[in-house]
Amino acid sequence: QQQVKQSPQSLIVQKGGISIINCAYENTAFDYFPWYQQFPGKGPALLIAIRPDVSEKKEGRFTISFNKSAKQFSLHIMDSQPGDSATYFCAASAMDSNYQLIWGAGTKLIIKP
Amino acid sequence: EAQVTQNPRYLITVTGKKLTVTCSQNMNHEYMSWYRQDPGLGLRQIYYSMNVEVTDKGDVPEGYKVSRKEKRNFPLILESPSPNQTSLYFCASRQGLAGVSYEQYFGPGTRLTVT
Repeated sequence: QQQVKQSPQSLIVQKGGISIINCAYENTAFDYFPWYQQFPGKGPALLIAIRPDVSEKKEGRFTISFNKSAKQFSLHIMDSQPGDSATYFCAASAMDSNYQLIWGAGTKLIIKP
Repeated sequence: EAQVTQNPRYLITVTGKKLTVTCSQNMNHEYMSWYRQDPGLGLRQIYYSMNVEVTDKGDVPEGYKVSRKEKRNFPLILESPSPNQTSLYFCASRQGLAGVSYEQYFGPGTRLTVT
């Protein structure tokens, strides 16, 4: 029940296309859903996060879509660029577990020029 | 500059030789954590600390020790390293529960090889 399942494991998208990464969870107590971006040789860094009181959050070309009833959330990268090539991790956490992050396994995204 | 630092960045050692990876943050964060990252397994938490002198096991604590004697430092200790501890290690920190942000800030990573 504590797992966060992330798919796909890897993704190749043409420059200018839309990249979509999906995550699913079981624990209905989760109330904070961040996405982290990791470039090779670097630590992960927060990209965007959402709370379950909204169904969508957009920051520039990055959008989180959240479906509370389906217990799913996804990251959409519009107009994908080669500089977006990185590994993306979704995560979830809950107040009753001190906001300890439960991580998805990661998606390696490659944007082809 | 607000940051989490780790040392060393790269380490090659032999089985059984005790080692310590240091982690320090300059953001006055209460919460600190250690992760290991392995291909296909994502980030797995080793230990975390909610505050000074308070530490708890994560998902994969076996073979590791930590201490939190000061707020800024959270060293990871491998008393008797084994080859299955070869991995990429990250330290992270964030504000405590009373803070306004749950964003975790990660260090640059330590690549450990145990032969």
